[in-house]
Amino acid sequence: DIQMTQSPSTLSASVGDRVTITCRASQSIGNWLAWYQQKPGKAPELLIQRASNLESGVPSRFSGSGSGTEFTLTISSLQPDDFATYYCQQYTSYYVTFGQGTKVEIK
Amino acid sequence: EVELVESGGGLIQPGGSLRLSCAASGFTVSSTYMSWVRQAPGKGLEWVSVLYASGSTYYTDSVKGRFTISRDNSKNTLYLQMNSLRAEDTAMYYCARGFMAFDFWGQGTLVTASS
Repeated sequence: DIQMTQSPSTLSASVGDRVTITCRASQSIGNWLAWYQQKPGKAPELLIQRASNLESGVPSRFSGSGSGTEFTLTISSLQPDDFATYYCQQYTSYYVTFGQGTKVEIK
Repeated sequence: EVELVESGGGLIQPGGSLRLSCAASGFTVSSTYMSWVRQAPGKGLEWVSVLYASGSTYYTDSVKGRFTISRDNSKNTLYLQMNSLRAEDTAMYYCARGFMAFDFWGQGTLVTASS
């Protein structure tokens, strides 16, 4: 099974900071990588699919990059609404796995 | 507008059964991939099962042989039949549209397997 490892697990940052979260796959997944934001008590929301395709309605300060085994989610200027937990997710034939999550906290 | 509404969760003794439902609106369940994803309390997300438009089904290893995903096209509803429940199945269960990526999620229904 493909394992997804996110880093860091927790990130402390201030409003306006540039934030980068990394997701590594245990084997190549091409660009079958999605990113989600989850706030406490809420369902996750899709931010990016196919590694770099921003979902409609998602602010442009979010961006995704990478292919193969290494991927990044970048928030160019952190906003108060962005403090949340972020998950990456890979898809391969008939199987999906998520990273363990990265909690973005207020510094 | 797309909406997914789960129901059917609750407290169940280990070894028992539950059937979760996910009523969809704004799109047709039978025309796309539909999945169940769960989240144990304080933990991360875990994909559970997918139902293809073709009718093919796939499961994560830990639920194979115990859980069954299905749909009722006339009701535009997705189901998850859960048998032989274990304590480790305790989680919030979300239905979600998609499989390569999940673009719409329900609000979740909580399943607690405990004596």
